[in-house]
Amino acid sequence: NAGVTQTPKFQVLKTGQSMTLQCAQDMNHEYMSWYRQDPGMGLRLIHYSVGAGITDQGEVPNGYNVSRSTTEDFPLRLLSAAPSQTSVYFCASSTRTGRAGGYTFGSGTRLTVV
Amino acid sequence: ELKVEQNPLFLSMQEGKNYTIYCNYSTTSDRLYWYRQDPGKSLESLFVLLSNGAVKQEGRLMASLDTKARLSTLHITAAVHDLSATYFCAVDLYNNNDMRFGAGTRLTVKP
Repeated sequence: NAGVTQTPKFQVLKTGQSMTLQCAQDMNHEYMSWYRQDPGMGLRLIHYSVGAGITDQGEVPNGYNVSRSTTEDFPLRLLSAAPSQTSVYFCASSTRTGRAGGYTFGSGTRLTVV
Repeated sequence: ELKVEQNPLFLSMQEGKNYTIYCNYSTTSDRLYWYRQDPGKSLESLFVLLSNGAVKQEGRLMASLDTKARLSTLHITAAVHDLSATYFCAVDLYNNNDMRFGAGTRLTVKP
């Protein structure tokens, strides 16, 4: 049981490049989400999904795209990377209501845009 | 707009002392979460509080929720060095899986 797996762990991009951050969970959780963590600002919700085929915007969605074709996978796409997107990105999953035990977080992807 | 405010943001404690971290939020929710994050690591779920008056305890940590006051507290009893970490509260906006985090409290416990 791997939990929530994020790849890659580290990535350096040039401004304007695009890339996809991968997130997979093996707990059959309905809910998945992406956060970015910046110093002094806690975590901010980018996009979330309550099930396959359903996604919604969070607090800071601009510049990011998501899709949820399967229950297990929830990739985050950076369309045209900007230095302001330098951050640590976390994927999280839970049961639909999060009641069982909170959210399970992946180990994070540290992204630097130069 | 939902605001989730934690205080203090930085806390330096002596081992053996008690202290409380506060989490205020500005809109309706009865789901509140506490997480711990060690430097360079991911977040670990500590407590899930799902109703007014909920109280949960694990070791030296106790969390409570007052939905009428829109306030949660994380109380630390007889702190030990191993509790040094950053603690986040998070509120489920409108109970709709749209989770918003506080800025975090960086706790340092000194011998």
